[in-house]
Amino acid sequence: AQSVSQHNHHVILSEAASLELGCNYSYGGTVNLFWYVQYPGQHLQLLLKYFSGDPLVKGIKGFEAEFIKSKFSFNLRKPSVQWSDTAEYFCAVGYSGGYNKLIFGAGTRLAVHP
Amino acid sequence: DGGITQSPKYLFRKEGQNVTLSCEQNLNHDAMYWYRQDPGQGLRLIYYSQIVNDFQKGDIAEGYSVSREKKESFPLTVTSAQKNPTAFYLCASSIWEGPSYEQYFGPGTRLTVT
Repeated sequence: AQSVSQHNHHVILSEAASLELGCNYSYGGTVNLFWYVQYPGQHLQLLLKYFSGDPLVKGIKGFEAEFIKSKFSFNLRKPSVQWSDTAEYFCAVGYSGGYNKLIFGAGTRLAVHP
Repeated sequence: DGGITQSPKYLFRKEGQNVTLSCEQNLNHDAMYWYRQDPGQGLRLIYYSQIVNDFQKGDIAEGYSVSREKKESFPLTVTSAQKNPTAFYLCASSIWEGPSYEQYFGPGTRLTVT
């Protein structure tokens, strides 16, 4: 079965630290890749997405992600986190033949301390 | 404002009762989805619908039912057959076809069954 793995379940950082959250997916051909974020008390919202082209994707709020096809990975990065980045982050994958159906990872809960 | 509304925000029910969660969208999206979110498990797909009067089971459909009589509405019924109904339920919508899409999420309904 197709699956998405997020290796870090809880991450604690100080402000200004760099962030990298891992996401790996099982092989399944062509994929569309997403990172969603859920801030406390808010809707799940899209952070960034990759469909094709440049594997380095820039999203909102200074986040970026890199698609490495050979590693089946789509890691999320931010050079310097802020307290307001405290949230839960979800990686999601749409597989060919079912693009609009997404498979989500278990999520990574990030806490940023001032 | 375009978006997805879910009501109510919190719902409490006694074991053995069926309960229906509301989801309405005014984004003119063809596709709608129901997910269940449990801590440490990410989002799991319950049902999805590509068009009116058609819907498909997701990964965890047992104990749930849906209807899609109108494009903008996709209610979810949690039946008494669902063994562990207490959870956070998220509704989403998207376009169904096209090279680039994302799912838009509602604010969610937290269901507690005792």
